[in-house]
Amino acid sequence: QKEVEQNSGPLSVPEGAIASLNCTYSDRGSQSFFWYRQYSGKSPELIMFIYSNGDKEDGRFTAQLNKASQYVSLLIRDSQPSDSATYLCAVTGRGSTLGRLYFGRGTQLTVWP
Amino acid sequence: DTEVTQTPKHLVMGMTNKKSLKCEQHMGHRAMYWYKQKAKKPPELMFVYSYEKLSINESVPSRFSPECPNSSLLNLHLHALQPEDSALYLCASRNHGGRLDGGAFFGQGTRLTVV
Repeated sequence: QKEVEQNSGPLSVPEGAIASLNCTYSDRGSQSFFWYRQYSGKSPELIMFIYSNGDKEDGRFTAQLNKASQYVSLLIRDSQPSDSATYLCAVTGRGSTLGRLYFGRGTQLTVWP
Repeated sequence: DTEVTQTPKHLVMGMTNKKSLKCEQHMGHRAMYWYKQKAKKPPELMFVYSYEKLSINESVPSRFSPECPNSSLLNLHLHALQPEDSALYLCASRNHGGRLDGGAFFGQGTRLTVV
């Protein structure tokens, strides 16, 4: 059973639009949730984290968490061509110790001018 | 600039060679990770060191041998690798779990090619 599932993509949006990226996870014990951006040939870069149900906003990015539905999403407002990358959802394993951090397969986003 | 530094950036090695990948962080983080990433795949967890002790080994073959000399350094020793081990090897560090969890920060990776 996969720990983390992401909408398969690829996702293509025009510049200025809202890009919506989704992720579900299987372990109800997971406590922390992260979104990473990875440009081709580069390492993942942490862009958002969320622990509590609801929304968390940081600039053009909004992370949303619904623990009852085991669902986490990332909205990118006013999308820019520079946002074109693969977005990885990451979820901690059971418990709060410095343990496993599982990644979804990623969603490739293309923002066209 | 990344605060997790990996060396070398690129490595080509033969199947009979022994080499090491190095990772250094100066953020005072207490956990360090090795991940392996193949093209168009997510990072795959290999090892976790927590407070300088190996806490997780995800059933990685013994030809990969991790070492944590101190809280800032993490090595991955490679021996008798196979061509299918060619991948991007990523080191990451992380500070806390639970409510203080700020996530894992990655180095730029080592692109390994086994010939």
